[in-house]
Amino acid sequence: AQRVTQPEKLLSVFKGAPVELKCNYSYSGSPELFWYVQYSRQRLQLLLRHISRESIKGFTADLNKGETSFHLKKPFAQEEDSAMYYCASGAGNTGKLIFGQGTTLQVKP
Amino acid sequence: DAGVTQSPTHLIKTRGQQVTLRCSPKSGHDTVSWYQQALGQGPQFIFQYYEEEERQRGNFPDRFSGHQFPNYSSELNVNALLLGDSALYLCASSLPAGGNTIYFGEGSWLTVV
Repeated sequence: AQRVTQPEKLLSVFKGAPVELKCNYSYSGSPELFWYVQYSRQRLQLLLRHISRESIKGFTADLNKGETSFHLKKPFAQEEDSAMYYCASGAGNTGKLIFGQGTTLQVKP
Repeated sequence: DAGVTQSPTHLIKTRGQQVTLRCSPKSGHDTVSWYQQALGQGPQFIFQYYEEEERQRGNFPDRFSGHQFPNYSSELNVNALLLGDSALYLCASSLPAGGNTIYFGEGSWLTVV
């Protein structure tokens, strides 16, 4: 069965420090991986898709099939990055996503 | 361009009652999915509607049912509410031709007392 694991419930860093939010997935096929972000009192928003290989708000994520990981990284955290981050996996182009439990990123001044 | 809209934003129901939640997809989107997000958890897939039919379903009991209308809007119905049904219910829509890129509404907070 498809599963997404985010091992950290909370990650707290100081402004300007590097950030890495971990995500591991289990799926026998070729999944499509996403990162969603939820700022306080706002809707869940798409941040990154692995197929796009894009950088949004300074965040990047690389799919590592050998380690079955899709970690989210940013070299210099900003206070406005404080939010809840969810990693999600989709398979078979079905529009059904499996989400991890989420990691709260807290960026301290 | 309006995004995914949901109503109501908050509601309180009594155990055993029934509830209906509504969703209008993003303009141009024809596929609607519903997710349940319990406090402190990630969203869990309930079911998906396409062409007015349930296309796929997650691990939720038959008390959870839905409907999609010709204008692509959708309803989620939950019967015989349990305390454990208290959660944020999220609607998501996606483009024709499917794909896994989905866009979420702000959700409906349901509290069962």
